[in-house]
Amino acid sequence: AQSVTQPDIHITVSEGASLELRCNYSYGATPYLFWYVQSPGQGLQLLLKYFSGDTLVQGIKGFEAEFKRSQSSFNLRKPSVHWSDAAEYFCAVSAGGGTYKYIFGTGTRLKVLA
Amino acid sequence: SAVISQKPSRDICQRGTSLTIQCQVDSQVTMMFWYRQQPGQSLTLIATANQGSEATYESGFVIDKFPISRPNLTFSTLTVSNMSPEDSSIYLCSVDKRVTYNEQFFGPGTRLTVL
Repeated sequence: AQSVTQPDIHITVSEGASLELRCNYSYGATPYLFWYVQSPGQGLQLLLKYFSGDTLVQGIKGFEAEFKRSQSSFNLRKPSVHWSDAAEYFCAVSAGGGTYKYIFGTGTRLKVLA
Repeated sequence: SAVISQKPSRDICQRGTSLTIQCQVDSQVTMMFWYRQQPGQSLTLIATANQGSEATYESGFVIDKFPISRPNLTFSTLTVSNMSPEDSSIYLCSVDKRVTYNEQFFGPGTRLTVL
């Protein structure tokens, strides 16, 4: 069965520092991978996605993520964090190929220190 | 992408009552989904709602508790029936737009508190 693990429940970084949020998945084939952000009181916004091709994907708001098949990982990165990035981040996986269901990780709550 | 609205945005309800949540999309979509996000938790899929057919429920969710309607390609409702405090959650709808592959876009959510 598919699963998604986000090992870090909470992460605190200083504004301007770099950020990496971890995501590991379990799936037999190449999955479709997503990162979403949920700001307080808001719905989920898609940051970026990976389906195939280049393993380094660029998203909105200056985020990027790298798919590493050998490590079953899809970590989210940002070189310089802004205070407005404070939010909850969810990694999700889909089997694709007509399988529409998403499996979400438990989320990582990011706090940004001024 | 898709613009999705939900009504109500939040509500406080008494136990034993029911609440119907509406989800409206700005374009026609085949697949709509309903998720539950319990306090401090991740998202759990409740059911998939396709127009013209019965909703498909995930394990642990039943139609009597969460009846869903999908009368057309831009609208769906989720009812939370006979509520208890354990139903206090954020309920989100999403749609699959298949821009490239399957991509889901989410509504802003309905925050439900059951007293």
